[in-house]
Amino acid sequence: EADIYQTPRYLVIGTGKKITLECSQTMGHDKMYWYQQDPGMELHLIHYSYGVNSTEKGDLSSESTVSRIRTEHFPLTLESARPSHTSQYLCASMVQGRFGTEAFFGQGTRLTVV
Amino acid sequence: AQTVTQSQPEMSVQEAETVTLSCTYDTSESDYYLFWYKQPPSRQMILVIRQEAYKQQNATENRFSVNFQKAAKSFSLKISDSQLGDAAMYFCAQPRAAGNKLTFGGGTRVLVKP
Repeated sequence: EADIYQTPRYLVIGTGKKITLECSQTMGHDKMYWYQQDPGMELHLIHYSYGVNSTEKGDLSSESTVSRIRTEHFPLTLESARPSHTSQYLCASMVQGRFGTEAFFGQGTRLTVV
Repeated sequence: AQTVTQSQPEMSVQEAETVTLSCTYDTSESDYYLFWYKQPPSRQMILVIRQEAYKQQNATENRFSVNFQKAAKSFSLKISDSQLGDAAMYFCAQPRAAGNKLTFGGGTRVLVKP
């Protein structure tokens, strides 16, 4: 079982609140990703990081921000939550090595903004 | 721009029968990986099977196999002897930009009829 954790699993929060979704992995992976999964289940890459102090925006524009101060930690922050931010957020990390390449996923955070 | 395409939003299969899911991708890289991931309802995303582009032999994992056509940039997944537990969303994925970006197709929902 992969050692990648997301907290909280579920979050209901009011409009205008600041929130941080946590993602941690204990595998020492350099590459980490955040996805937004819409009701149709499509996965949209919103942020990625290929190491400490490196963060990039993904394919889908997002009002969220991320940071990567430590290898194991890749939190996502919304400064002012809005109902349009209601979605499932998935975090992943990937290993690339001589034994193969594989991405591991957290269990997701289901965010509802009311 | 979408680089991984799954053209079947939903596929239905009778238990014990075979179903094939389609995926096409676009890349200019010569060596790369391709993945199929499974997301059961309300559960964690898990790796089903992976293929290295430089390997001509199609990958196989028990009842799951792929048909990798590099020239056509096609990567289909075959599920043989379908079981009720195979019911899930299936995503085709490809790491791009040296793995810095992990991009998914839109997903195919597999329904298994008893």
